[in-house]
Amino acid sequence: TQLLEQSPQFLSIQEGENLTVYCNSSSVFSSLQWYRQEPGEGPVLLVTVVTGGEVKKLKRLTFQFGDARKDSSLHITAAQPGDTGLYLCAGATGNQFYFGTGTSLTVIP
Amino acid sequence: NAGVTQTPKFQVLKTGQSMTLQCAQDMNHEYMSWYRQDPGMGLRLIHYSVGAGITDQGEVPNGYNVSRSTTEDFPLRLLSAAPSQTSVYFCASSQTGGRNEQFFGPGTRLTVL
Repeated sequence: TQLLEQSPQFLSIQEGENLTVYCNSSSVFSSLQWYRQEPGEGPVLLVTVVTGGEVKKLKRLTFQFGDARKDSSLHITAAQPGDTGLYLCAGATGNQFYFGTGTSLTVIP
Repeated sequence: NAGVTQTPKFQVLKTGQSMTLQCAQDMNHEYMSWYRQDPGMGLRLIHYSVGAGITDQGEVPNGYNVSRSTTEDFPLRLLSAAPSQTSVYFCASSQTGGRNEQFFGPGTRLTVL
C-alpha cells in the first residue's frame, strides 16, 4: 500500500508551458519534502514545507502544503528543458519518510 | 566532503547468496537510512538509524539486516538474496530525522538471478 500517491505519473510538455504535480495522502505528515532525481543519481532536495497552508517559491517552482497537512502540490511556471527529471514527494512521520510514486517530467525544447 | 558514498555501484548475485552494501557519510549526521527504488513505486524505507548503536525497521525490512557501530557507516546486509530484491538501493543521511534534508548516495543497482 502506497501512503503517498502522485499524479500524474508521466508528463510530457512543451517548453514554456505551466504544469502542476499533485501529492495526496489520507495520512497527516509533520513535514513534506519535494525531491528531484536525475537518471543514475540519488534524489536531491528542492524544498521542505512544515506548516499547513504553507507556500514556498523557488524561482519558477511553487510548492504548497495542504491545510490539513495531508497533501501537497508543485507548480512549475514556464517549464524549461532543464526541469526534466523525476519529481518525488516525501512525507515525514516521526523518523520515517514515505515517498510518493514519482512524476516523470519531460520538457520538450 | 565526499557526502554520502555507496559501494558497489553495480552487483549481480545468485539466489541464496549473501552480500553487504556499504554506505558511509562524512557530514557527522546522526540519521542514516536505506531505501529501495522500484519502477512505479517511488522509494521505500528499509531500515533507519537515529544514531550509533540504534537501528529500527522501516516499511519493507524483511530480508535485510543493518547495524550502526559508528556514526559514519551504515551497512545493509542481504542474508539470502531473492529475485524480489532486485532493485536500486539508496543510502541517505541527515542531521537528524524528521524534517531535515536527506542527502542521498549515488545508489547501488542490484540484480538477483
